[in-house]
Amino acid sequence: GESVGLHLPTLSVQEGDNSIINCAYSNSASDYFIWYKQESGKGPQFIIDIRSNMDKRQGQRVTVLLNKTVKHLSLQIAATQPGDSAVYFCAERDWGSNYKLTFGKGTLLTVNP
Amino acid sequence: DSGVTQTPKHLITATGQRVTLRCSPRSGDLSVYWYQQSLDQGLQFLIQYYNGEERAKGNILERFSAQQFPDLHSELNLSSLELGDSALYFCASSVGEGAQTGELFFGEGSRLTVL
Repeated sequence: GESVGLHLPTLSVQEGDNSIINCAYSNSASDYFIWYKQESGKGPQFIIDIRSNMDKRQGQRVTVLLNKTVKHLSLQIAATQPGDSAVYFCAERDWGSNYKLTFGKGTLLTVNP
Repeated sequence: DSGVTQTPKHLITATGQRVTLRCSPRSGDLSVYWYQQSLDQGLQFLIQYYNGEERAKGNILERFSAQQFPDLHSELNLSSLELGDSALYFCASSVGEGAQTGELFFGEGSRLTVL
């Protein structure tokens, strides 16, 4: 089936610490994954993506890791800042379902100054 | 600013009524997606259009319908509204479709409250 979920619904970290947000998926037909950030009152914003033929991708202060063996995706944020406080969603694209993007429920990240 | 414009930003209406939500995609994007976001369901995919044609359907109720016009803007029509339809409705756009679907650009959303 299509099931994208997050291990932790909330995560609270201190400013300057590294954050890790996890996501489990169950659809082995997913070929592409995206992390989105949603700030209060705004629409989701793209952070970083990764294709299923990769296991790691780095951006500016963010890294996405993909473990296809256990169907696990994680987003690492280095030196977390108060501006990183938001809800983070993982999304998977299912090539077997007309490439539909399915979103997880989200994790609320709170950064304490 | 994602380049995707949604109107209205807020809408309050009564049960049984009908509303229309409007979306203008980013310039050059041919695909438009509609998502519903409620507190207990997260982001739920409703429907996708590509260059005026319906491409994929998700959990869209029969009371809801959508279309994409020749100028590529899209409208989501919600009728016979129920209390449970209260939610944020997001429109997103992307350049391509199918295997070319990459990043989706989201609008700011339309918050619908049904009383």
